[in-house]
Amino acid sequence: DTGVSQDPRHKITKRGQNVTFRCDPISEHNRLYWYRQTLGQGPEFLTYFQNEAQLEKSRLLSDRFSAERPKGSFSTLEIQRTEQGDSAMYLCASSLVTGTNTGELFFGEGSRLTVL
Amino acid sequence: GDSVTQMEGPVTLSEEACLTINCTYTATGYPSLFWYVQYPGEGLQLLLKATKADDKGSNKGFEATYRKETTSFHLEKGSVQVSDSAVYFCALNQAGTALIFGKGTTLSVSS
Repeated sequence: DTGVSQDPRHKITKRGQNVTFRCDPISEHNRLYWYRQTLGQGPEFLTYFQNEAQLEKSRLLSDRFSAERPKGSFSTLEIQRTEQGDSAMYLCASSLVTGTNTGELFFGEGSRLTVL
Repeated sequence: GDSVTQMEGPVTLSEEACLTINCTYTATGYPSLFWYVQYPGEGLQLLLKATKADDKGSNKGFEATYRKETTSFHLEKGSVQVSDSAVYFCALNQAGTALIFGKGTTLSVSS
């Protein structure tokens, strides 16, 4: 297993364009998380999925953001009508949850978004 | 809501010096506590964790003890190496919820 992979690693776009990021979690993991990290800050939680169900969304996730995990495997995070404030590193993580044990989160290397 | 506060960096040390990175938390209930590390050019990875009061997590010479009375989880290492240079994040979660991270502390170790 190669761990959590994210694509693309870097994306530069113009304000107002739509962008989509993909995350492939560790194959047997049932939970998948999206975080956003800006310079000098810790990762901020955006949303997470248990299998294909989106169980929680942060208030940071405006209506321009949408995430899916259609078959409980890979996930996509789409940002519509990007704004300069969306520039950040978008991190994906996955874990194996059993019962109430959240399990260790394994992070990908992130997708860096720059909005011009 | 729940939150984590870490000492601000950067922390600059010489090789073999002692390290302490302070972390305090605010939470209802009984969270699990974590230290994650991010080496240059790599993704976040779990360094150590503790799931209940008085537990000590340890890994790679680093230790942290879950202190409920002081709501703290300070990261310590007796002798740092150049290879320990990284950003360290303290984090917590309650059962079934997402991790909440501190802002991170950059450690730079010189030989």
